[in-house]
Amino acid sequence: ELKVEQNPLFLSMQEGKNYTIYCNYSTTSDRLYWYRQDPGKSLESLFVLLSNGAVKQEGRLMASLDTKARLSTLHITAAVHDLSATYFCAVDSLAQGGSEKLVFGKGTKLTVNP
Amino acid sequence: DVKVTQSSRYLVKRTGEKVFLECVQDMDHENMFWYRQDPGLGLRLIYFSYDVKMKEKGDIPEGYSVSREKKERFSLILESASTNQTSMYLCASLSGGVTDTQYFGPGTRLTVL
Repeated sequence: ELKVEQNPLFLSMQEGKNYTIYCNYSTTSDRLYWYRQDPGKSLESLFVLLSNGAVKQEGRLMASLDTKARLSTLHITAAVHDLSATYFCAVDSLAQGGSEKLVFGKGTKLTVNP
Repeated sequence: DVKVTQSSRYLVKRTGEKVFLECVQDMDHENMFWYRQDPGLGLRLIYFSYDVKMKEKGDIPEGYSVSREKKERFSLILESASTNQTSMYLCASLSGGVTDTQYFGPGTRLTVL
């Protein structure tokens, strides 16, 4: 059974600082996703990572994937208050009937302080 | 633009009531999903469907059923609501392309009294 672990679960950081959120998963998978959720809102897709060594960047966020280590990172550069949200990683998994489903980590709640 | 809508943002029901949560997507996606989200537990998959009239159990199907009579609509049914089903329910859809991602609805916050 696929398990997805994120750490840290809570992260409080100052504006302007850098930090990394980690996502480990237990079995081989083809795809890894990062989502953002603002308080009281739904999930918004940030990145889809498809292959070993994949790196994607948007603004102050950069995501990477190491399929051999079963590890993805979400790096935050020079954090700003607007990045405060909960970030989820999710990994593709094959369901019993052969269709695909996502398994989510528990999320990392990021608070960026002025 | 991709759109997933859910029938209610907030819902209050009594224990034992039958509850219907509806989700509609306008992207002609084959795959649709129902999750519940609870503090500290993240998102947990209840049921999903990869085609009309097809369904598969997710990780926590007990106490729930689903219906998918049309491609665009996926309903979650609580046959007899209980207080431990108080939660945020999120619907998502996915086309299944290689680079596609799940698109989520706004969520329904259900309270069972």
